[in-house]
Amino acid sequence: DTAVSQTPKYLVTQMGNDKSIKCEQNLGHDTMYWYKQDSKKFLKIMFSYNNKELIINETVPNRFSPKSPDKAHLNLHINSLELGDSAVYFCASRGDTEAFFGQGTRLTVV
Amino acid sequence: ELKVEQNPLFLSMQEGKNYTIYCNYSTTSDRLYWYRQDPGKSLESLFVLLSNGAVKQEGRLMASLDTKARLSTLHITAAVHDLSATYFCAVKDQGGSEKLVFGKGTKLTVNP
Repeated sequence: DTAVSQTPKYLVTQMGNDKSIKCEQNLGHDTMYWYKQDSKKFLKIMFSYNNKELIINETVPNRFSPKSPDKAHLNLHINSLELGDSAVYFCASRGDTEAFFGQGTRLTVV
Repeated sequence: ELKVEQNPLFLSMQEGKNYTIYCNYSTTSDRLYWYRQDPGKSLESLFVLLSNGAVKQEGRLMASLDTKARLSTLHITAAVHDLSATYFCAVKDQGGSEKLVFGKGTKLTVNP
């Protein structure tokens, strides 16, 4: 059973479109994150949620809107996609000790 | 603001050799993580270090934590080609954000 599952794995879309990435964890963790990994492999926090509540929004454009319907899910919706949004997006979940990452979504905006 | 510095960023080594990757961080934390990432893949959890003096080992990898020096090391013993990957350290921010702040990663290449 996959601990942190995100879909889709690949997403190719045109500029200006709106897209969503879904994330689910079955670990019972309270804390979930979205990270962006750029072409240089740097991992930068975008959002942090604790028990469905937004904890941090790290200077992310408001075209990005996370939604957590329950503490097992944290989805990411992106409006009006731009070329610079192309990256790999990782969902993660953290318990008291371990933190696990989803498989990543490679987003390509053309 | 928590900053995490990892070095070296690139490491090319021969099979059979030993080497150490360093991870320094700027503010107190109670969680330090090491991850491995293969090209095109996710981050695989290697170690979680929770307390000063913690040492964990798995195969040819050993991680340690010195909270007073705000330093963690990942030591590679007798490297083999299969260890080629990018290794990241991450530190949990104690400032209420709960975020994990990552180092820039060390790209390790083990040559035959």
